[in-house]
Amino acid sequence: SQKIEQNSEALNIQEGKTATLTCNYTNYSPAYLQWYRQDPGRGPVFLLLIRENEKEKRKERLKVTFDTTLKQSLFHITASQPADSATYLCALANTGGFKTIFGAGTRLFVKA
Amino acid sequence: EPEVTQTPSHQVTQMGQEVILRCVPISNHLYFYWYRQILGQKVEFLVSFYNNEISEKSEIFDDQFSVERPDGSNFTLKIRSTKLEDSAMYFCASSGGGGWTDTQYFGPGTRLTVL
Repeated sequence: SQKIEQNSEALNIQEGKTATLTCNYTNYSPAYLQWYRQDPGRGPVFLLLIRENEKEKRKERLKVTFDTTLKQSLFHITASQPADSATYLCALANTGGFKTIFGAGTRLFVKA
Repeated sequence: EPEVTQTPSHQVTQMGQEVILRCVPISNHLYFYWYRQILGQKVEFLVSFYNNEISEKSEIFDDQFSVERPDGSNFTLKIRSTKLEDSAMYFCASSGGGGWTDTQYFGPGTRLTVL
């Protein structure tokens, strides 16, 4: 069955450092991959989308890479800030985007 | 900035009762979705809706669930006979007509508690 794996352990980093989060998937050939941020008790907030034919995407302090051979995406937050502390979700969508499946998320803590 | 709204924010119901969760998607959006998230677990896809019909649904979305767009603004999820395991946060999302890779905007969620 389709599976998305994200680091289940929380990631603790110091303010100003780069946070790197990993998303691996199996038994799936997504048309595109997305990263969302979720704060406790809130809905997911879209951050970045990368298509299957793209290797890298950037937006301000965020960078995402997508390796369809390794079936892996890396999500980087540079110059991290305490306000970046949240759970980050990886999500895959099929062609047409009618079904999106989410990973369990990685909790990030950025210490001042 | 336009946003997806959901009502109620919290619904408590008895097992076996019917509930209707309501969502108002962003006004010019064409694609609508329902997801659920059991406490401490991942966000799970339930159903997508486009052009007044279901586009795709998950195995969770069985005969107890239905969706409707009764007018030009609301999008509802009905659970016919609630079970204890239906207790979760339910999120509505919508995306625009910019193609199928358009961003999904999520609402704040409705917390459903089944007693």
